Amino acid sequence: AQSVTQPDIHITVSEGASLELRCNYSYGATPYLFWYVQSPGQGLQLLLKYFSGDTLVQGIKGFEAEFKRSQSSFNLRKPSVHWSDAAEYFCAVGPLEYGNKLVFGAGTILRVKS
Amino acid sequence: EPEVTQTPSHQVTQMGQEVILRCVPISNHLYFYWYRQILGQKVEFLVSFYNNEISEKSEIFDDQFSVERPDGSNFTLKIRSTKLEDSAMYFCASSDGRSSNQPQHFGDGTRLSIL
Repeated sequence: AQSVTQPDIHITVSEGASLELRCNYSYGATPYLFWYVQSPGQGLQLLLKYFSGDTLVQGIKGFEAEFKRSQSSFNLRKPSVHWSDAAEYFCAVGPLEYGNKLVFGAGTILRVKS
Repeated sequence: EPEVTQTPSHQVTQMGQEVILRCVPISNHLYFYWYRQILGQKVEFLVSFYNNEISEKSEIFDDQFSVERPDGSNFTLKIRSTKLEDSAMYFCASSDGRSSNQPQHFGDGTRLSIL
């Protein structure tokens, strides 16, 4: 069965520090991988996606993620965190066929300290 | 940028009552979805909808749930007789569907509180 694991429930980083949020997935084939961000009271905003090709993908707000097939991972990174990045981050996996469901991880809450 | 809109933002309903959550997907999208997020838990898939019929549903989506696209713009989720455990944030999403690399775009959600 498809599953997504985000091992860190909470992460706190200082403003200006680098960030890495971990995501591991279990899937029978090469999946589509996504990172979404949810600010308090808001919906899910797509940060970036991986479908194929270059395993390092760039997203919005200065985020990037690297797909590592050998490790079944899709970790999210940002070189310098801003206070406005404080939010909950969700990794998700979907099938290659369109119109099918996304499976989400439990989320990682990012706190940024000044 | 076009977006998915959901109304209301917060719905409070007595247990046993029917509730309809409304969504306006992005206008040229073909696939529509409902997900829910119980407080403190994962976002869970409920149902996907394409070409005026359900294409996939989860075990959560039992006979108490139904979806409809009553006109060219709205997509609704109805819960016939609400239970306390239906309290959650419900997200609508849509995707283009014309190519396989188009992601799902989510609305801001409707917080459903069952009393």
